[in-house]
Amino acid sequence: DGGITQSPKYLFRKEGQNVTLSCEQNLNHDAMYWYRQDPGQGLRLIYYSQIVNDFQKGDIAEGYSVSREKKESFPLTVTSAQKNPTAFYLCASNRGSTAEAFFGQGTRLTVV
Amino acid sequence: GENVEQHPSTLSVQEGDSAVIKCTYSDSASNYFPWYKQELGKRPQLIIDIRSNVGEKKDQRIAVTLNKTAKHFSLHITETQPEDSAVYFCAAVANAGGTSYGKLTFGQGTILTVHP
Repeated sequence: DGGITQSPKYLFRKEGQNVTLSCEQNLNHDAMYWYRQDPGQGLRLIYYSQIVNDFQKGDIAEGYSVSREKKESFPLTVTSAQKNPTAFYLCASNRGSTAEAFFGQGTRLTVV
Repeated sequence: GENVEQHPSTLSVQEGDSAVIKCTYSDSASNYFPWYKQELGKRPQLIIDIRSNVGEKKDQRIAVTLNKTAKHFSLHITETQPEDSAVYFCAAVANAGGTSYGKLTFGQGTILTVHP
């Protein structure tokens, strides 16, 4: 079902805590992305990585951090500096030659 | 950076009617324009795409048109069916193809409702 897996599906976090969302792909894609989805605001890019050990900020990177130590993995950490972290987070990957993006099933993060 | 505007935000049609969703983009370097459909509770999935060297592309009831000069592209769904109800996203990608990689910038989404 797509070859890109996010975990967990639901995540609850207390205010002031950092939390890490997992994204793994077995599609041999070089590029990976993290998007945040809020009602009425579409998909907003948080971070993206085009190659291992390299990543760039997207449009709403403040309060988030990422790493890309392996081609298959692109974890996203939501830090306590993120003012409004409750949202649906989507990870995606694509290959340069086609640019079609494949999405994970998403993680719904709720701050309690 | 790229900015993609999508309209309308909601669209309601009767079954059998046509639906049109429009997007504009700002970066003239963008050369790949995919459309994604997201059903409730599911992940977005590609339904059709178009590259900058093509003006129109069709796939059964779905078509996409591109006007590079005006920097806008549109999704056309004919003979709509209730199962077409979903959120549709347009996107623009710069430098897609070859060894370069595409940074996907999405529009805000359109909630399409098809009434039986």
